[in-house]
Amino acid sequence: EPEVTQTPSHQVTQMGQEVILRCVPISNHLYFYWYRQILGQKVEFLVSFYNNEISEKSEIFDDQFSVERPDGSNFTLKIRSTKLEDSAMYFCASSQPGLRNTFGSGTRLTVV
Amino acid sequence: SQQGEEDPQALSIQEGENATMNCSYKTSINNLQWYRQNSGRGLVHLILIRSNEREKHSGRLRVTLDTSKKSSSLLITASRAADTASYFCATDDRGAQKLVFGQGTRLTINP
Repeated sequence: EPEVTQTPSHQVTQMGQEVILRCVPISNHLYFYWYRQILGQKVEFLVSFYNNEISEKSEIFDDQFSVERPDGSNFTLKIRSTKLEDSAMYFCASSQPGLRNTFGSGTRLTVV
Repeated sequence: SQQGEEDPQALSIQEGENATMNCSYKTSINNLQWYRQNSGRGLVHLILIRSNEREKHSGRLRVTLDTSKKSSSLLITASRAADTASYFCATDDRGAQKLVFGQGTRLTINP
């Protein structure tokens, strides 16, 4: 079964540093998403991406965050200046319209 | 209550028993999905039920959906130790592509 691939699985960064989380969605999917899950809490939507632009974003997704699809296969989430509270598991997902989201295994970001 | 709230928050049962988890939501939906998450790991899709469906089965899983009550239940029959995980319901809020997750139910199966 096709998978969504995320790299790295774990990243440790210093506060104030920029991080880029990488994802390879399923090749024939059209919608791409980033979600995050702070330890012990629920999964929260960050942003959705369709047709090479952001289709929706949450209040969490402020100016410190950006997404990009630099080529035909990768989908990235950049956090410009990380804060301690950005420590979380970040999940990438992709889907076809109206069908289930397929999630990657996540990147655990630890900001120190 | 918030969109996609599960109850109970935690459930502990003996192996072989059935486990039932419930989810409530507030807005209209096109579908509702259930996911499993082992501790600190990724989200595994279990089942999707559409708003025009009332019940769906997949192996030992049975999901019901009551759109009039805006609620769903997930039943795991003949539970196994490997079913120990957190279970989340997720809805497509007002038919949007994004998913709105509940707080989850932590299920522990005791051998």
